[in-house]
Amino acid sequence: NAGVMQNPRHLVRRRGQEARLRCSPMKGHSHVYWYRQLPEEGLKFMVYLQKENIIDESGMPKERFSAEFPKEGPSILRIQQVVRGDSAAYFCASCQGADQETQYFGPGTRLLVL
Amino acid sequence: AQKITQTQPGMFVQEKEAVTLDCTYDTSDPSYGLFWYKQPSSGEMIFLIYQGSYDQQNATEGRYSLNFQKARKSANLVISASQLGDSAMYFCAMRELAGYSTLTFGKGTMLLVSP
Repeated sequence: NAGVMQNPRHLVRRRGQEARLRCSPMKGHSHVYWYRQLPEEGLKFMVYLQKENIIDESGMPKERFSAEFPKEGPSILRIQQVVRGDSAAYFCASCQGADQETQYFGPGTRLLVL
Repeated sequence: AQKITQTQPGMFVQEKEAVTLDCTYDTSDPSYGLFWYKQPSSGEMIFLIYQGSYDQQNATEGRYSLNFQKARKSANLVISASQLGDSAMYFCAMRELAGYSTLTFGKGTMLLVSP
């Protein structure tokens, strides 16, 4: 049973470009969370999605950031017009249901904005 | 609002010794879960151990145990018989268990295990 998959593992973008980060949850998991980890910091919640629904996006910046989790395919975190401050590790986690205790994390995508 | 505090930026321990990583938390919800994750230098987040607020006994998973003191709102991680491979960042996290709730993380403790 494969774990949470994220790709790419590393992504380099120039300022103003778009970054698309993908997350495939564990088999049987329909709940996906995205977190951001800035250098020397713990993870901070960004957005929580279920299939075709955004449940909570309170941690996501209002501009330039968007997320989706379509009926088929991976969850996508999209950052438009990236800036240097977007450089961070972005982690996706999945769980089976909203009340399941444990979220399992993917390996993360390290985004570097030049 | 939930809050997690890890006061130890770094800890050193010798191989085969036990080490305790501190974590205190704050929440107004009576039903919550406490987690510890390990982040080695490769960067992935590895789930280690979970403790529910209503669990009567302290959680244990192999060499990991959680010293849960509810009245003091602390959930310290104890690693017994440290190994070189235990060197990593360790994050304490919590979430409220009513409905859905996201994880709130502490800033982490860097553990270095020396031979």
